[in-house]
Parts: sequence; C-alpha cells; structure tokens
Amino acid sequence: NAGVTQTPKFQVLKTGQSMTLQCAQDMNHEYMSWYRQDPGMGLRLIHYSVGAGITDQGEVPNGYNVSRSTTEDFPLRLLSAAPSQTSVYFCASSYVTGTGSYGYTFGSGTRLTVV
Amino acid sequence: ILNVEQSPQSLHVQEGDSTNFTCSFPSSNFYALHWYRWETAKSPEALFVMTLNGDEKKKGRISATLNTKEGYSYLYIKGSQPEDSATYLCARNTGNQFYFGTGTSLTVIP
Repeated sequence: NAGVTQTPKFQVLKTGQSMTLQCAQDMNHEYMSWYRQDPGMGLRLIHYSVGAGITDQGEVPNGYNVSRSTTEDFPLRLLSAAPSQTSVYFCASSYVTGTGSYGYTFGSGTRLTVV
Repeated sequence: ILNVEQSPQSLHVQEGDSTNFTCSFPSSNFYALHWYRWETAKSPEALFVMTLNGDEKKKGRISATLNTKEGYSYLYIKGSQPEDSATYLCARNTGNQFYFGTGTSLTVIP
C-alpha cells in the first residue's frame, strides 16, 4: 500500500516552461487536493477534487490547471512557469465528506524552483 | 475571516516538560478541525480530526480539545520527548476546503 505518490521530488524550470506534477493514490480516496508551502505561510490550497471528473479551485489557483480522469490520479499542470511559483508542492487525499471528518494522507512533496 | 492562527510560532522545552499550544479559527461555518504533526523532511501526518464542540481526543501522550463556540483548539503534550520535536499544524474545514495555520515548531531539548 503505497499511499500518496508524488513525482518528481525535485524540479528546476525556466520561466515560461510548462510541466506536470504527478500525484497518485491507491487508497480509493475520493478527495484529492494540491497545496503549496511557502516560507512563513501555511499550506495553501491550489485546487481540489471530490471525485473523478470533478475539480474546483482553492485559495491560490491562478497559473495552475488540474484534471481528474480517474479516482487514483490528480496531476497539477503549470502552464507557463513563473518565479512566483517556486515552492514546495504537496498532494493530499482523503475519503470525501463535506464535513472534513477524515484526515488527509499527504504525499512526500515536490520542490519546484523556477529560474 | 478564514485565517487560522497558531501560537506560539515556536517553542523550546526540556525533555519531560509538558506543553501546549493554541489554534484559533473563525467560529462561523465550522465543520471540522484537524491537527497534523510534521517532522522535518517528511510529510504531515494526521493526529486528530475533531468535529464537535467539547471534543477531546487523545493519542498516547498527546491530546487535543475543541471549542467551536469561541473558535479555538488546544494541543497538549505530556512529558515531552525529543521525538516529539516537529511542527504541529492545525487546519479548519469549511466544507470541501481546508485552511491551514502556519504551525507551531516544537523543539524538545534532551
């Protein structure tokens, strides 16, 4: 049981490049989400999904796209990387409820640097 | 209005001391409050999920309480050990979105 798997662990991009951060979970969790972690700030929600085919924006969605074609996978796409997107990105999943009564399982994170 | 505040920002205690820290959040539109433990170079791990006013949860030497009417939760660690050193995060759920605090960084000195 692998839990939540994120790839890559590290990435350096040039400004304007695009890339996809991968996230996969094998726990049959309906809810998946992406966060970014910046110094001095809490984890901030980028996008989330409550099931295959359903996605929604979080607190800081600009510059990012997501899709959810299967229950297992929730990739995050950076369309045109900017230095402001330098951050550590975490994928997290849980069983879905509208009340948040299940804790998250987090991936190990992707450290992204945009130069 | 959605901010989750945690205090103190950091804390150093001696091994064996008991300690506690606070998570404050807006009391309106409350669904759940989560506590996570985040060790350096690892991912956050869920400690507690609390949903009801007056909830108390316990896991070993760590416990938490919840007051949804006044908008705060306390995390207690009894007899701190060096392995308790970590950042402790709380997060408030407002439906399908979680809002995290910036965490309390705990260092337990042997």
